[in-house]
Formats: sequence, C-alpha cells, structure tokens
Amino acid sequence: EAQVTQNPRYLITVTGKKLTVTCSQNMNHEYMSWYRQDPGLGLRQIYYSMNVEVTDKGDVPEGYKVSRKEKRNFPLILESPSPNQTSLYFCASHQATERGGHGTQYFGPGTRLLVL
Amino acid sequence: AQSVTQPDIHITVSEGASLELRCNYSYGATPYLFWYVQSPGQGLQLLLKYFSGDTLVQGIKGFEAEFKRSQSSFNLRKPSVHWSDAAEYFCAVVDMNTGFQKLVFGTGTRLLVSP
Repeated sequence: EAQVTQNPRYLITVTGKKLTVTCSQNMNHEYMSWYRQDPGLGLRQIYYSMNVEVTDKGDVPEGYKVSRKEKRNFPLILESPSPNQTSLYFCASHQATERGGHGTQYFGPGTRLLVL
Repeated sequence: AQSVTQPDIHITVSEGASLELRCNYSYGATPYLFWYVQSPGQGLQLLLKYFSGDTLVQGIKGFEAEFKRSQSSFNLRKPSVHWSDAAEYFCAVVDMNTGFQKLVFGTGTRLLVSP
C-alpha cells in the first residue's frame, strides 16, 4: 500500500529537549516536505527536499532542521523545542510529472506535538 | 506569491442539503488546484484536483469543484451532505515560482452537519 508514515503520532516533551519526528514514504517520490498546522493558519511549509541531500527552507523554518540521506526518509529535527512549536505536523511526498507539472502530494497521518 | 482565501471559517449545513465551500486563489497563470479533507484526528485526504482541461472536476465521496478563471475561484460542491462529511476542508494551490512547486493552503473551512 502506497503511504507516508510518521512516528511518533503523539509526543509530549519539555522545552529544550531535542527530538526527532521520522517520516518515511514507499512510493519512491523525489519530493518531500514538512508542514505544520495551527488553528486559523492552515498548513505552512517548514522545509522541503527535492532529492537526496537537497533540502531548503520553507515558510517557517526557524527552530527546525531536516536531513535527507535516503530517498524514502525525511526526518524533522527540533534541536531545542520551545512551546511555540506546539503544533500538528504533517510530512508529505510527491513526484513531479514528466511535463513539469505537479504530482499529487500524499500526506502522512500527522504528529501532534506538545512542548511544555 | 500565490495565496488562497477560504472566506468561511465555519459552515453549518443540514444533512441532505447541498453544500458549497468557497475558495479563491491568486495566481497569474493556469493554477494547479486541490481540495483536501481532514476528518477529526485524521490526516489529509485528497478529494479532487484540477490541472487543466474540463473546468468541472469530479472527486471522491460525491464531491465536485468548478474552476472559474474569471473569478479566480475553485469552489467545492456536494448536492447532498451526509453526517460523515463533517470535517475541515482545505483548498490549496501549487506555488510554481519555486522548483519544488510547494502547496499553499487556505486557512480551512470547518463543516458542521446538523440532523
């Protein structure tokens, strides 16, 4: 089954304690991204990756890091979490079409993070 | 930069009644447009998408959307709402200004279905 998986699904942590949220896709997609969802703001892109070892900042990258060492995995790292990073996080992947169009983005189930 | 506006934060519809959720986008060329649904506690599920061609697109669960270039709109419709349609709905457009072609989302519309 084609899917994007995220772990953990729920996480409670304290300010300053480093954490990693994993993301994996089994569709061989080149493009992957992380979004955060906050009430009244919709989803905003944090970071994205166009291929292995190619990553770049999205709209709200402060306080986050990512890596793309393998095509299927795209972990999100919070080196020193703060309460304003309490949010619902989604990983997504997609493949650009041959004509340069946009493939459909597939989303993971989400990770709900609470930073105390 | 591209943007998406969903002017209705909440909408309440009676079960069996018709539904229309509004979405307006800003983009100069032909946009790539999507509607996603998020049920409570769930992830995002793609309802339908528009890339080109027929301006009326059919999606899953009986939803359809119409692309109107003159109005910069991509409204979502359903002729008869079911209680299971209660969810949050997001319209999104692809930002083609970057090589990544990221999605720009609206702020969402929460649909409530009354008996």
